[in-house]
Amino acid sequence: SQTIHQWPATLVQPVGSPLSLECTVEGTSNPNLYWYRQAAGRGLQLLFYSVGIGQISSEVPQNLSASRPQDRQFILSSKKLLLSDSGFYLCAWNEGVGYNEQFFGPGTRLTVL
Amino acid sequence: GQQLNQSPQSMFIQEGEDVSMNCTSSSIFNTWLWYKQDPGEGPVLLIALYKAGELTSNGRLTAQFGITRKDSFLNISASIPSDVGIYFCAGHKTSGSRLTFGEGTQLTVNP
Repeated sequence: SQTIHQWPATLVQPVGSPLSLECTVEGTSNPNLYWYRQAAGRGLQLLFYSVGIGQISSEVPQNLSASRPQDRQFILSSKKLLLSDSGFYLCAWNEGVGYNEQFFGPGTRLTVL
Repeated sequence: GQQLNQSPQSMFIQEGEDVSMNCTSSSIFNTWLWYKQDPGEGPVLLIALYKAGELTSNGRLTAQFGITRKDSFLNISASIPSDVGIYFCAGHKTSGSRLTFGEGTQLTVNP
């Protein structure tokens, strides 16, 4: 069966510091991968998605970037965090084109102080 | 982007009551998904609907794909305290397209 992992689970970072959140999926090959941000427990905002290694699509201009160095690894980064980057970050995956159900990881709670 | 209107925004009910929530759009969707999110966790898929008019159950949960393909409904029967959480609808306009999410319904169940 497939599983999705995210770490760290929680993170407190000062403004201006760098960020690296990691997501990995097990039990599947060539998944589509997604990064979402959720503010105040409501509404999921799609940040990035990837259909393959090195292929990243950005949904909204922002202070963040994403990379996919391996088939089942998706990384969310920032060079300098802003207060507004605080939130709950969720990674999700689904099978290739035609498979619509997305499955979410446990999330990372980021607080920028 | 395309928006899904989910209602109600919040519900406060007594244990044992039935719950109904819905999601509507001005555009046609080919897939409807319902998720539940517990506090501090990622959303969990409850029910997936792929055909207009489809009615699918998962335990005490029942969801329907509206016949117009512009809406979906989720019902929870005989609610229990562990039903507390945020329920999200989501949909695909076409196969493989990005999911569009509703804003969620916050459900509180009083024992």
